[in-house]
Amino acid sequence: AQSVTQLDSQVPVFEEAPVELRCNYSSSVSVYLFWYVQYPNQGLQLLLKYLSGSTLVKGINGFEAEFNKSQTSFHLRKPSVHISDTAEYFCAVRPNSGGSNYKLTFGKGTLLTVNP
Amino acid sequence: AAGVIQSPRHLIKEKRETATLKCYPIPRHDTVYWYQQGPGQDPQFLISFYEKMQSDKGSIPDRFSAQQFSDYHSELNMSSLELGDSALYFCASSLRPAGAWEQYFGPGTRLTVT
Repeated sequence: AQSVTQLDSQVPVFEEAPVELRCNYSSSVSVYLFWYVQYPNQGLQLLLKYLSGSTLVKGINGFEAEFNKSQTSFHLRKPSVHISDTAEYFCAVRPNSGGSNYKLTFGKGTLLTVNP
Repeated sequence: AAGVIQSPRHLIKEKRETATLKCYPIPRHDTVYWYQQGPGQDPQFLISFYEKMQSDKGSIPDRFSAQQFSDYHSELNMSSLELGDSALYFCASSLRPAGAWEQYFGPGTRLTVT
């Protein structure tokens, strides 16, 4: 089984400031890692994913994340945020092994609020 | 590009009624997943289907059932609705095996039980 912990439920920042949203996971098997963004009253949109290879992955809207296997972390970062980045951010994992178990396990989410 | 379609987008039901949620996956996607997101909660996996067969099951109540049809669309049937069933229900689709690592989410159906 997998579990995901997002260490901050809310992160308020000012516009143009850098931000880091923290995610730690636990799994007995190797996993793929994802960050999703959910704008108010909307569905989930994939920001970025780590499957293999370089541990630094770049996504849409200027976000990037770094996979750290030893610390089982996958923190999301953006060097300069905009008002439009205000949203709920979910970290998620799923096993990368074969078989039928492809369901995503999500963290509780981090509400990023960007203030002017 | 075509996305996952869910209908209806909003649904209001009374306790003990039934509800049917529909999901139309991205064309050529053969796998459908259902998730439930309660107010202020993270999405929780309910059930998934691959090639019309149930492939995995999560925390889905016995009052709920689902199936995938020959055109790959899926329906989630919910009976004896309870207040606690009020949530946003997401459907996601993927193409297996090659694209198994990415699930594309629909906009969700917001179910309100009164």
